[in-house]
Amino acid sequence: EPEVTQTPSHQVTQMGQEVILRCVPISNHLYFYWYRQILGQKVEFLVSFYNNEISEKSEIFDDQFSVERPDGSNFTLKIRSTKLEDSAMYFCASRQGAGAEAFFGQGTRLTVV
Amino acid sequence: GENVGLHLPTLSVQEGDNSIINCAYSNSASDYFIWYKQESGKGPQFIIDIRSNMDKRQGQRVTVLLNKTVKHLSLQIAATQPGDSAVYFCAEMHGQAGTALIFGKGTTLSVSS
Repeated sequence: EPEVTQTPSHQVTQMGQEVILRCVPISNHLYFYWYRQILGQKVEFLVSFYNNEISEKSEIFDDQFSVERPDGSNFTLKIRSTKLEDSAMYFCASRQGAGAEAFFGQGTRLTVV
Repeated sequence: GENVGLHLPTLSVQEGDNSIINCAYSNSASDYFIWYKQESGKGPQFIIDIRSNMDKRQGQRVTVLLNKTVKHLSLQIAATQPGDSAVYFCAEMHGQAGTALIFGKGTTLSVSS
């Protein structure tokens, strides 16, 4: 069964450093998402991406964040200068179409020290 | 503020009981709703969805009810099993471009044998 894959599963980084979280969405999907989940809390929407551009973003997704789909298969989330409060699970998701369910990856646990 | 939320943060049931998890939403323009299950350390997993032109949809052991008059969504799990123990989130599709899938706070379901 096709699945969304994320790498790495766990990343530890120093405060102020840049990190790139990687995702490979399901191959025929057209909508891509990043979410954040702080431990024990709800899944927070960061950004949606469609037709090679951001279609929606939340207040969390400020200038420190960016997304890219560099090669037609990968979908990346970059955090330019990490802060302690960026520590969370980051989930990537993809959907085939506008009315379809979103499939989630297993997440990357980001720890900022 | 919250667009999607759940009435109870936790629900404890006995194996074999029926479980009902509730969710209230505030955006009357939302036209697509999804229930997700999240087990510890994993990404959200699709359970069932419903469009706003329906008021009920059934799956295997699960039923979703949508009451647009009071903006209420519920998930019913029949004959709850220990493997159903997880956090359950309702999610709402909205946003200006209609691509933002927004999660509520989640209900932790605990099933005891």
